[in-house]
Amino acid sequence: DADVTQTPRNRITKTGKRIMLECSQTKGHDRMYWYRQDPGLGLRLIYYSFDVKDINKGEISDGYSVSRQAQAKFSLSLESAIPNQTALYFCATSRNQAFETQYFGPGTRLLVL
Amino acid sequence: EDQVTQSPEALRLQEGESSSLNCSYTVSGLRGLFWYRQDPGKGPEFLFTLYSAGEEKEKERLKATLTKKESFLHITAPKPEDSATYLCAVQFLSNSGYALNFGKGTSLLVTP
Repeated sequence: DADVTQTPRNRITKTGKRIMLECSQTKGHDRMYWYRQDPGLGLRLIYYSFDVKDINKGEISDGYSVSRQAQAKFSLSLESAIPNQTALYFCATSRNQAFETQYFGPGTRLLVL
Repeated sequence: EDQVTQSPEALRLQEGESSSLNCSYTVSGLRGLFWYRQDPGKGPEFLFTLYSAGEEKEKERLKATLTKKESFLHITAPKPEDSATYLCAVQFLSNSGYALNFGKGTSLLVTP
């Protein structure tokens, strides 16, 4: 079984819709991250959380929000989706130190029409 | 500006043809340099962490090395199953604590 899971794996939505991407992990890690990946731009950090009560903005947080429901669950929401949020989204975890070895989920491919 | 640059962007090798991928960085306060492998449609998979200049790590046909300015991922006698995108990431100490910057990756294709 995968240690980091993401749902849904693929999603098509329309401009203006609110959507949520979910991430669950069984690794027991406190630190969780959301990234987006675009061709030619690499991986960019959206939000991160070091424990249930901690939420931090990353490089590109505008238009996104997150919720850390439990140690094992970290959700990413697009409040009002726009076409340039079309991308591949990854959740990741790390064990002890901030931004050390990242363990990635399988990704969610999002298309905003 | 802190930066991580990978080269080449794409590399095509014949099976058995050894080569190296480069990751150069300009961050100050390096804490660790990571190499990941990413297959199409999948999440990056951790390969190596290097912490100090002169350090080397090996795994099967891959060897990662680190200097004060760059890291190399050497691929010896590659096989088609080594085809993937290889990502480099640098962990460093910024004004607001630890941070992580990824390079854009090198897309490797190994042909039979």
